[in-house]
Amino acid sequence: GENVEQHPSTLSVQEGDSAVIKCTYSDSASNYFPWYKQELGKRPQLIIDIRSNVGEKKDQRIAVTLNKTAKHFSLHITETQPEDSAVYFCAAHSGRGKLTFGTGTRLQVTL
Amino acid sequence: DTGVSQDPRHKITKRGQNVTFRCDPISEHNRLYWYRQTLGQGPEFLTYFQNEAQLEKSRLLSDRFSAERPKGSFSTLEIQRTEQGDSAMYLCASSSDRPYEQYFGPGTRLTVT
Repeated sequence: GENVEQHPSTLSVQEGDSAVIKCTYSDSASNYFPWYKQELGKRPQLIIDIRSNVGEKKDQRIAVTLNKTAKHFSLHITETQPEDSAVYFCAAHSGRGKLTFGTGTRLQVTL
Repeated sequence: DTGVSQDPRHKITKRGQNVTFRCDPISEHNRLYWYRQTLGQGPEFLTYFQNEAQLEKSRLLSDRFSAERPKGSFSTLEIQRTEQGDSAMYLCASSSDRPYEQYFGPGTRLTVT
């Protein structure tokens, strides 16, 4: 089955800096890659996603890149703000229904 | 609120008791998913439905777990003879067939004492 690895597990950046979170997946059949943000005690919230026919997607300060050959994808957050502090999860979808999640990255944006 | 809803939000039960959780998906979504999340981990897939048909079950789902979606709308997840290891957040999500975006509910936090 699919296996998703995520790095780093924790990331601390200063306000205004950029943050990058990387994930790798194992199943070459995976074709959809969402990113979720989860604040403490809250539900996972879908923030951006990318499909396998696209190499990059951007939404304001957030961007995701996908390298199908290397089977890895990354989340980029620019001009980080304190409200970006949360746990971020990447996931992969192989078309059969379920999402396989990474282990999460705890992002701390300091003033 | 037109998002995914779950009930109850919290459940404390004694080991050996049975518990049942309910999930109401976004109304136009025909796919419904159950995940389990433990502290510090990502959600782990349990099972999913397309309309009323249960199409996939994880090996994590022992025979003490059963899920239903009888009319293709809300779903229930029952855990029989609960164990302390069942303590977790149980998340429900829903999606349409295309796109695949899954939207999560607030979860039911289960504590087995």
